[in-house]
Amino acid sequence: SQELEQSPQSLIVQEGKNLTINCTSSKTLYGLYWYKQKYGEGLIFLMMLQKGGEEKSHEKITAKLDEKKQQSSLHITASQPSHAGIYLCGADNANDMRFGAGTRLTVKP
Amino acid sequence: DTAVSQTPKYLVTQMGNDKSIKCEQNLGHDTMYWYKQDSKKFLKIMFSYNNKELIINETVPNRFSPKSPDKAHLNLHINSLELGDSAVYFCASSPSNGGKTQYFGPGTRLLVL
Repeated sequence: SQELEQSPQSLIVQEGKNLTINCTSSKTLYGLYWYKQKYGEGLIFLMMLQKGGEEKSHEKITAKLDEKKQQSSLHITASQPSHAGIYLCGADNANDMRFGAGTRLTVKP
Repeated sequence: DTAVSQTPKYLVTQMGNDKSIKCEQNLGHDTMYWYKQDSKKFLKIMFSYNNKELIINETVPNRFSPKSPDKAHLNLHINSLELGDSAVYFCASSPSNGGKTQYFGPGTRLLVL
């Protein structure tokens, strides 16, 4: 089955700083999803990437898919405390979705 | 208006008890899932149902039994609860079996004492 590795595992940044989270797959990526989980809450769908080179943005969050590298990156510009949470990448795996272990983001005011 | 809802939100129970978690989606989706998120926040699929039929049954103990009375509901029944069952359980749904965006419920925090 497909394995997803996220890096870093945790990240602490000062408010206003930019940051990047990476998600690397052990297999070819056919669909890559990014979710955000606020502490103690459910998962919120952020965006989905399907094509190599595809880039999508949602407010100050941008995600890219590098099909050749089997990797996706999530970039947050000018981070805010509201960006804090756990970011999970998920990928299509036959009949279900597999997730990475998550990246815990803390934004210090 | 909640798309995917779960009840209860919190569940505290004694070891050995039997409990159920309910999930309902009003999105008209064909596929529903149960995930377990452990203390390390790792999210792992347990079951997948497509139009009331079991599609995926990952390696979970027999004590866990999903039940889908109709396309909009997928309940999770757990027998003889163990300490290791403590986790957050998420229900999700998607328009088709795999390959589509999944929408998650708020999660059910289960604590087994």
